[in-house]
Amino acid sequence: GAVVSQHPSWVICKSGTSVKIECRSLDFQATTMFWYRQFPKQSLMLMATSNEGSKATYEQGVEKDKFLINHASLTLSTLTVTSAHPEDSSFYICSGRALAGLGETQYFGPGTRLLVL
Amino acid sequence: DAKTTQPPSMDCAEGRAANLPCNHSTISGNEYVYWYRQIHSQGPQYIIHGLKNNETNEMASLIITEDRKSSTLILPHATLRDTAVYYCIVRVGQGAQKLVFGQGTRLTINP
Repeated sequence: GAVVSQHPSWVICKSGTSVKIECRSLDFQATTMFWYRQFPKQSLMLMATSNEGSKATYEQGVEKDKFLINHASLTLSTLTVTSAHPEDSSFYICSGRALAGLGETQYFGPGTRLLVL
Repeated sequence: DAKTTQPPSMDCAEGRAANLPCNHSTISGNEYVYWYRQIHSQGPQYIIHGLKNNETNEMASLIITEDRKSSTLILPHATLRDTAVYYCIVRVGQGAQKLVFGQGTRLTINP
């Protein structure tokens, strides 16, 4: 299967600061990347869908000005949590959709655990 | 995308086959059945997907009923490392369609 990496794997920050999470597809080109959030004991919730070179599409209830997504290349997408607060503490997971050859399958990164103090 | 129904939890003995059911009675003709699993504190891992024929790969087998209203994921020889939450998702196979995760089945493999 295809490999997706995330950096950092975990981060602790103070309330009010911004945090950037990187998502990279290592061995395939991802025209579309997805960002999910998962709270303890809950399932994954899609936050936004981003296509390379265009603006992200956010799910209902997700603030686009708070969760900034940039998909500048076919192998890199970033999620920036601006002015983070304790309620933003969560497990953030990205996935990439392969262009071709691997079918229409999404491959997920290992996740980034964010703790806002 | 069609909704799926899975049992919240299952247990299986190590070395035995684990059979995980999924109901998707409102599935459309162009929707695929995907299976992912999530081991604790990790990102979901793709397992297998299919449209109407049974599928097999190195990880598992997927059996889809003829009417496509249900399917079963089979892990032929379960190991302790197969303990995870298993998600059955149906979605249109082509295009940048999002995956909608339900609550999945928490599978525990017992020694």
